[in-house]
Amino acid sequence: GQNIDQPTEMTATEGAIVQINCTYQTSGFNGLFWYQQHAGEAPTFLSYNVLDGLEEKGRFSSFLSRSKGYSYLLLKELQMKDSASYLCAVRDPDNTDKLIFGTGTRLQVFP
Amino acid sequence: GAGVSQTPSNKVTEKGKYVELRCDPISGHTALYWYRQSLGQGPEFLIYFQGTGAADDSGLPNDRFFAVRPEGSVSTLKIQRTERGDSAVYLCASSLSRTTSTEQYFGPGTRLTVT
Repeated sequence: GQNIDQPTEMTATEGAIVQINCTYQTSGFNGLFWYQQHAGEAPTFLSYNVLDGLEEKGRFSSFLSRSKGYSYLLLKELQMKDSASYLCAVRDPDNTDKLIFGTGTRLQVFP
Repeated sequence: GAGVSQTPSNKVTEKGKYVELRCDPISGHTALYWYRQSLGQGPEFLIYFQGTGAADDSGLPNDRFFAVRPEGSVSTLKIQRTERGDSAVYLCASSLSRTTSTEQYFGPGTRLTVT
């Protein structure tokens, strides 16, 4: 089966750095995505990793280790608007491209 | 340009009724997905279209659920004999094509409530 784990909730302070971890156990692997979802809104794309290493995009970075089945999303210089759910998703290894999502991590940023 | 749109944004229906949920993907996107998201959970895959055909419908929970995409653009998700357990947000996503780095663009969803 497919299993994706991430913490349910996290809190952080404005201006700080937070790391959201994701571990996955799937029968294969064809890429990992991070999405941001504000309450009542659609998920929006943040990052994509298919090779090991760090991908940096502004204040957000995402890391992947395929051998460990592990990824993290790093958010720097946190802002109040970063309060949202962060969804880790693995692309279906059977190549239909469907995404298998974790339950999401709800991040609350406090002043 | 326009993103993925879904109508209606909210739908309240009585148990046992039939509902249709509509998705308009981004123009030119050949791949279309339906997901269902329950409160506090991540989206759960329902069905995938490549063009007009349903390439993978393994996520449909039972035969009360059906989806079509007759002209390879707009898609309709149809639910017969709705049950209270069907209450969720139904998300549609589209992507340019089936390449390994293509992100999926999500619509705002339809919140379905079955009373």
